[in-house]
Amino acid sequence: QKEVEQNSGPLSVPEGAIASLNCTYSDRGSQSFFWYRQYSGKSPELIMSIYSNGDKEDGRFTAQLNKASQYVSLLIRDSQPSDSATYLCAVGASGGSYIPTFGRGTSLIVHP
Amino acid sequence: GAVVSQHPSWVICKSGTSVKIECRSLDFQATTMFWYRQFPKQSLMLMATSNEGSKATYEQGVEKDKFLINHASLTLSTLTVTSAHPEDSSFYICSARGLEQETQYFGPGTRLLVL
Repeated sequence: QKEVEQNSGPLSVPEGAIASLNCTYSDRGSQSFFWYRQYSGKSPELIMSIYSNGDKEDGRFTAQLNKASQYVSLLIRDSQPSDSATYLCAVGASGGSYIPTFGRGTSLIVHP
Repeated sequence: GAVVSQHPSWVICKSGTSVKIECRSLDFQATTMFWYRQFPKQSLMLMATSNEGSKATYEQGVEKDKFLINHASLTLSTLTVTSAHPEDSSFYICSARGLEQETQYFGPGTRLLVL
């Protein structure tokens, strides 16, 4: 069974700090990885996707992927209170089914 | 781009009635659509995957006769909750994906309250 693990949190960081969100996965053949943000009462919205080992930056967000360690992370620089949300890690299945597995999400609280 | 809409956003119904939720991809052709359910403070739970023109594939434990899914076109999928009961009250979210794409885009969700 494919698993995606995230610490449920909450992760609390002060405004302006770097928030680091982590995700591990069990399917060694996975090739696609996604981070979604979900505000309370809303549906998830895509933040970033990453497919290759290393870092991918988009504004204040950086996704990091290490396939050997089966680990993907999301860094949020200069955290703002508006970043307070649940962050979902999603891992695409190997074998071309394209059905991703979602983690349970990490709750992030950015306090002023 | 990649906008997915859902209708209605809120629905309140009496126990025993059926409710239909629509999911539309507005600016791309969605060859695959997913239906999720999320209870308060819990994670997303995939209910079923539907490919255009094919029968939906339901996840284990999801009653296919209770949750009817139709994906008749490349821009529209519907979920019908038949004979809804209070325990079906939840946040139902669809997502859509284009051909040979791995990124899925979520609709805004539909809150169902069964009295």
